[in-house]
Order: sequence, then structure tokens, then C-alpha cells
Amino acid sequence: DIQMTQSPSSLSASVGDRVTITCRASQGIRNDLGWYQQKPGKAPKRLIYATSSLQSGVPSRFSGSGSGTEFTLTISSLQPEDFATYYCLQHNSYPLTFGGGTKVEIK
Amino acid sequence: EVQLVESGGGLVQPGGSLRLSCAASGFTFSSYWMSWVRQAPGKGLEWVANMNQYGSEKHYVDSVKGRFTISRDNAKNSLYLQMNSLRAEDTAVYYCARGLGAADTLWGQGTLVTVSS
Repeated sequence: DIQMTQSPSSLSASVGDRVTITCRASQGIRNDLGWYQQKPGKAPKRLIYATSSLQSGVPSRFSGSGSGTEFTLTISSLQPEDFATYYCLQHNSYPLTFGGGTKVEIK
Repeated sequence: EVQLVESGGGLVQPGGSLRLSCAASGFTFSSYWMSWVRQAPGKGLEWVANMNQYGSEKHYVDSVKGRFTISRDNAKNSLYLQMNSLRAEDTAVYYCARGLGAADTLWGQGTLVTVSS
């Protein structure tokens, strides 16, 4: 199984900060990775697919990068509505696996 | 409206069974791989199972193999998850999702399954 190690598990940031979240895969997954945002009591919402493609309707302050085993989600200027939990998901091989999540909280 | 709506969740005793349904509308259901993803209370997301458009290819996470069965009825635009021999650790919100690897993914709002005596 491919393990997805996501870091940090939580972070505190202020509105306007640049935030970076990382997922490391235990083996290469090409660019078969997506990033999700989840707010309490809601279904996850995908922000990025295929490592760096922005989902339609998602603000351009979100971006994704990486390849092989290391991937990054960047929020260029954190907004109040961005406080949530973020997950990566690899769909390169079975079982599909999510990272453990990063909770972004208000400083 | 393009949507997925899950149903069938509820309280069940350990060892019991439950069948979840996911009703699709607003898109060509028969064109997509479909998945089930779950989230235990206060925990992260876990992929459970998926199947191809024709029902000929299915995959499961190890923890549910032999207990859960994913199926679909393209004529009814519906996805199912038959869950047998349920355990306390199966307690979670279960989400139905379209095309996890596709550009046009779509998720339902989830249905809660509670396994408890």
C-alpha cells in the first residue's frame, strides 16, 4: 500500500499569510494526486486534481505542485473562509489512500 | 441538478448488516467509476471501495474485504454498498463519490452509519 504522509497535522496562521501543506508518498505516484478541503459537518471539496490543476470555481490563491513522491498545496494569501482541514488523496494504485489531514486554524 | 444523494444509514448492532444507496441525478451515471469513502467521527478520510462503469472491476480496502460489497444499477442511476458483519470500527459517515481521479469529481453529502449495541 502507498502511505501518504501529510505535514503538518495542524497549523495556526493569520489572514493574509502564505500557507504550505506537504504530502509525501511512500513510492512514486506520478501526478495522480488531488487536494481536498473539508469544513465541519460538510463533504470534502476538491481544490486541485492531477497535482496542479485547479478545480473549476476554486480561487486562484490555491495552487498545487510536485511530482513523484513529494507534493505541495499552497494558499498564497489565507482568507477567513479557508480555515478548514485539508487532505491529499493518491489514486495511482489500490488501495487509494488519503493523507492524515492538516487542520488550518486561526492564529 | 447534478448531485449524489446517499441514504440507508442508521444504527445497527455489531454483526448486523446494512445496505447503503447512492442516487445519482443530472449526469450520465453509467459513464463513471464510482466510489465509497468513509470518515469515522473526528477522524480522517478513508477510501472504502470503487467500481468501474460496467460493474466488471471492483476494488476494496483490506479492512472491508469479504464483508462489504459494492454494486450498481445503471438503469436506476444508483450505487450501493452492502455491509455485512459490521463492527464498531465501521462507524462513520459514508460518502458516495464520482470519479475520484477524474477532472469532474462529485461527492454526496454522506450518510451516518453507527454500529453499537
